Amino acid sequence: QKEVEQNSGPLSVPEGAIASLNCTYSDRGSQSFFWYRQYSGKSPELIMFIYSNGDKEDGRFTAQLNKASQYVSLLIRDSQPSDSATYLCAVIGQAGTALIFGKGTTLSVSS
Amino acid sequence: GAVVSQHPSRVICKSGTSVKIECRSLDFQATTMFWYRQFPKQSLMLMATSNEGSKATYEQGVEKDKFLINHASLTLSTLTVTSAHPEDSSFYICSARDAPTGGYNEQFFGPGTRLTVL
Repeated sequence: QKEVEQNSGPLSVPEGAIASLNCTYSDRGSQSFFWYRQYSGKSPELIMFIYSNGDKEDGRFTAQLNKASQYVSLLIRDSQPSDSATYLCAVIGQAGTALIFGKGTTLSVSS
Repeated sequence: GAVVSQHPSRVICKSGTSVKIECRSLDFQATTMFWYRQFPKQSLMLMATSNEGSKATYEQGVEKDKFLINHASLTLSTLTVTSAHPEDSSFYICSARDAPTGGYNEQFFGPGTRLTVL
């Protein structure tokens, strides 16, 4: 069974700090990796996607992918209280088209 | 950016009734639509995948006779929860995807429908 694992948290960081969110996946053939942010009662919104090993940066966000270790991470620099939300890691497997979500990590940024 | 709408945003119904939820892609043609369900404090669980003009593919454990999915056009998919019961109360979210280009598989999510069955 294909699985995506995340630490549920909560992860608490002070404003201005770096928040580090981690995710592992079981399907070694997975090709596409996504990070979504979800506020309570809302649907997910895409933050970043990454396909290749290494780092991908977009503003304050950096996604890191290591396919050999089946590991994806998201770094949020200069964390803001508005970043407080649940962050969902999602993967599209080798043969699939649907997103498989992890349970999410709750991030709390205190001012 | 691509916009996906859902209607209604919130519905309360009595046990035993059926509820229809619409998912529309507003500015693109969605060759594939996905239906997810999310219980409180849980992640999104894929219920089914539907391609326009084809029967939906349901995930294991999802009753296809209870959750009827129709993807009649490239911009509209509907989910009907038949004979709803309190345990069906959940947040139902659809997403849509157009034909992927260059391997890009972004899905665009609707705002979700909060179903409460009394």
